[in-house]
Amino acid sequence: DQQVKQNSPSLSVQEGRISILNCDYTNSMFDYFLWYKKYPAEGPTFLISISSIKDKNEDGRFTVFLNKSAKHLSLHIVPSQPGDSAVYFCAATSGGGNQFYFGTGTSLTVIP
Amino acid sequence: GAVVSQHPSRVICKSGTSVKIECRSLDFQATTMFWYRQFPKQSLMLMATSNEGSKATYEQGVEKDKFLINHASLTLSTLTVTSAHPEDSSFYICSAQDRGRGLKAFFGQGTRLTVV
Repeated sequence: DQQVKQNSPSLSVQEGRISILNCDYTNSMFDYFLWYKKYPAEGPTFLISISSIKDKNEDGRFTVFLNKSAKHLSLHIVPSQPGDSAVYFCAATSGGGNQFYFGTGTSLTVIP
Repeated sequence: GAVVSQHPSRVICKSGTSVKIECRSLDFQATTMFWYRQFPKQSLMLMATSNEGSKATYEQGVEKDKFLINHASLTLSTLTVTSAHPEDSSFYICSAQDRGRGLKAFFGQGTRLTVV
């Protein structure tokens, strides 16, 4: 049962434009959400997170938006850079982070 | 950010042998460590969760006798794949969490296991 879903397996964006990566979840008990970036043959690197008490969190070029009623979150990267090309995973947890549920990932390619 | 070191990064072993993978938190005390497995083009699948000093909690379908997890200290957890078979070939990733610093989990660089 996939509780966190990333329906777009891949995304291509021109350098300098905005990248929008989407994530949907089904469990209303999730109260903390994270985005990770992963290069091939490496472990994921934490990017940004958001608590369910917020609807937006911004860190430099990265902004995460949370829509609890729609059970949807998105990661915006602006401006996109070629070095952003990687697989992005969203993750969700509840009850203090005892277990993280990951989406299937979206492969982002930023075209120079 | 916090550093989690996973070793080895790649290992090739013969079928029937055992392989140990280490996961160390280098600059914080990891109260909880997670072990994941990733198949090609698939998500990270949680295998087990371990808290320091207690037995690991395994996810459904994960054989605890095959994937031995030890979390003996606040900075080290090990995953031993016993009697490895070719179907165990995969990318194994650990992550560590310091509850005192929030809910973020920091990941190791992963281990590519190939069983021949």
